Amino acid sequence: EIVLTQSPGTLSLSPGERATLSCRASQTVSPMHLAWYHQKPGQPPRLLIYGTSNRATGIPDRFSGSGSGTDFTLTISRLEPEDFAVYYCQQYGSSAMYTFGQGTKLEI
Amino acid sequence: QVQLQESGPGLVRPSETLSLTCTVSGGSMNSHFWAWIRQSPGKGLEYLGSIYSNGITNYNPSLKSRVTISLDTSKNQFSLRLRSVTAADTAVYFCARDGISGVFAMDVWGQGTTVTVSS
Repeated sequence: EIVLTQSPGTLSLSPGERATLSCRASQTVSPMHLAWYHQKPGQPPRLLIYGTSNRATGIPDRFSGSGSGTDFTLTISRLEPEDFAVYYCQQYGSSAMYTFGQGTKLEI
Repeated sequence: QVQLQESGPGLVRPSETLSLTCTVSGGSMNSHFWAWIRQSPGKGLEYLGSIYSNGITNYNPSLKSRVTISLDTSKNQFSLRLRSVTAADTAVYFCARDGISGVFAMDVWGQGTTVTVSS
């Protein structure tokens, strides 16, 4: 099972700043199989990025994803107040199974 | 716009079977995978398994012996059964659409339902 480790655990920034979140995999992940979500309290996760760099429907272009191999990054170019949430990376791998990172809390 | 809604008991006794149903509205279940994921403070987000619209299933190996996912397309529903539950199965349970073609991610989620395992 591929383990995803996200860093930092908590990221403290202000609206208008740039956020860079990291996701490191214990084994190589296909670029097609890496996704990012964010989750606000009391809500389900919302898909932001799939296939490493493709924005999901309705996701603004301030969100971008990049990476390859074992290292992947989610960048939010200019933080809006609604972006403060917990962010998860997710991979689809062997045994047709999904695993998730432990999350990065993005706080003001 | 596809929407998902979980339903089922919020309290399950230890050693019994947890049963949840997800109702799909606003779209067809055909040609999609449908998934169950749970979230607990101790284990974060955990994939339980998926079912394709033709009934093919895929389960998390760590839970495979206890999980069954089934489908009733006539009712636009799919269901989760988790046997022999313990306190460790206490979590928020989400149903989700397991990505459209080429999207290896969950693109539509239900709001989630809290299940507590306790006597």
